[in-house]
Order: sequence, then C-alpha cells, then structure tokens
Amino acid sequence: DARVTQTPRHKVTEMGQEVTMRCQPILGHNTVFWYRQTMMQGLELLAYFRNRAPLDDSGMPKDRFSAEMPDATLATLKIQPSEPRDSAVYFCASGLATQTVFFGQGTRLTVV
Amino acid sequence: DAKTTQPPSMDCAEGRAANLPCNHSTISGNEYVYWYRQIHSQGPQYIIHGLKNNETNEMASLIITEDRKSSTLILPHATLRDTAVYYCIVRPTNAGKSTFGDGTTLTVKP
Repeated sequence: DARVTQTPRHKVTEMGQEVTMRCQPILGHNTVFWYRQTMMQGLELLAYFRNRAPLDDSGMPKDRFSAEMPDATLATLKIQPSEPRDSAVYFCASGLATQTVFFGQGTRLTVV
Repeated sequence: DAKTTQPPSMDCAEGRAANLPCNHSTISGNEYVYWYRQIHSQGPQYIIHGLKNNETNEMASLIITEDRKSSTLILPHATLRDTAVYYCIVRPTNAGKSTFGDGTTLTVKP
C-alpha cells in the first residue's frame, strides 16, 4: 500500500533549536508539497517541488525555514532557529503533476 | 487558484445520505474539483475528484453542475466514522498547487 511517510511523527523542542522534518514521497511521484496546519490558519501551503526543483516557496518564512529534496525519495523541511509560533502539524504530500495528491500523517511540532 | 465556499458545519443521521455542497464560481476550464477529508489531526485523505462529469467511487459520488460553478459530495450511507472535516478544493491540471479553505465539519449522529 503506497503511502507518504513522514518522520518524526511528534517532536518537542526548545526555542532556538534546529528542527528537521523528513518526508518520503510515494515512489514515482514527482511533485512534493509541504503544508502547515494550525487552529488559527488552517492548512497553509508552505512550498512545493517538482522533479526536485522548488516551484513555489512563497508561503514559507524565508529567514528561518528551508525546504530541500536531496534526492527523489527524500524531502526535508528545516526550521532554524525554531520559535513557539512554529508549533503546528506539518504535512507532506506527493503526487504526479496532473494527478491526485496524497498526504502523509504529519509531524506534530511543539516548540517550548 | 479559484476559491471555494463551503458551509462551516453540517449534521447527518447515521445511515442516511450526507450531501456536502461546495461553491466554486470562479473555477477555470482547466481546474479539477477535488474532495478530501480530515479526521482529527490525521493527514487529509483523498476522496474523489472530477472535471465536468459526475464521478463515483467506493467512497462517494461527486455531482458537478453543468456550469461547473458548484458541486456536491454525496456519502450515500453515512457512518459515525465519516465524521470529519471535508475540504473541497480546485486544482489546475498543470501546476498542482492547491489551496485549502476552512472546509465543512460533518458530524454523523446515531
């Protein structure tokens, strides 16, 4: 059963620490999305990649967030330094360019 | 991206059909209508999508009006496990970028 895999599922960290979230897209999918969900803002698109190249990262705070795809099987989202307002659930999703997008189970980040 | 409008909440009796409306009056010709649902804080789950024709799968049916300005997701026999937030989004075929609104919280009651 193909699925998007995200690690870790939960992360608690102290303010100022670096946080790295990882995503393994479904094999063969060439488009990867990062979303953030909070009670106040709902699901927000942070960035997305196609064929490992960033297409749009306008939703991402540039000063502390960075997203990369080191290879086709791994996408990373880093926050450095982390702040309490970054506490949220971060979802990765993957798909083919013109087809259905499937979501992972998310990483719940708590910054204290 | 075209914006969508959904009622914030709906109730449905268990075993009855749940009909969830969505307005997407500014949809473009190359944009599909997609439906996802989210149970608690799990990842959004794909349900169904369509361009202009009505669609049916094992989970639900999607009815799109002829002018494509609105659609209805139908869960034919709702169960308690269908209680979730349902999102209607429109997605261009060439870009893949999708914007989620606030969705409809469907509560299925015994």
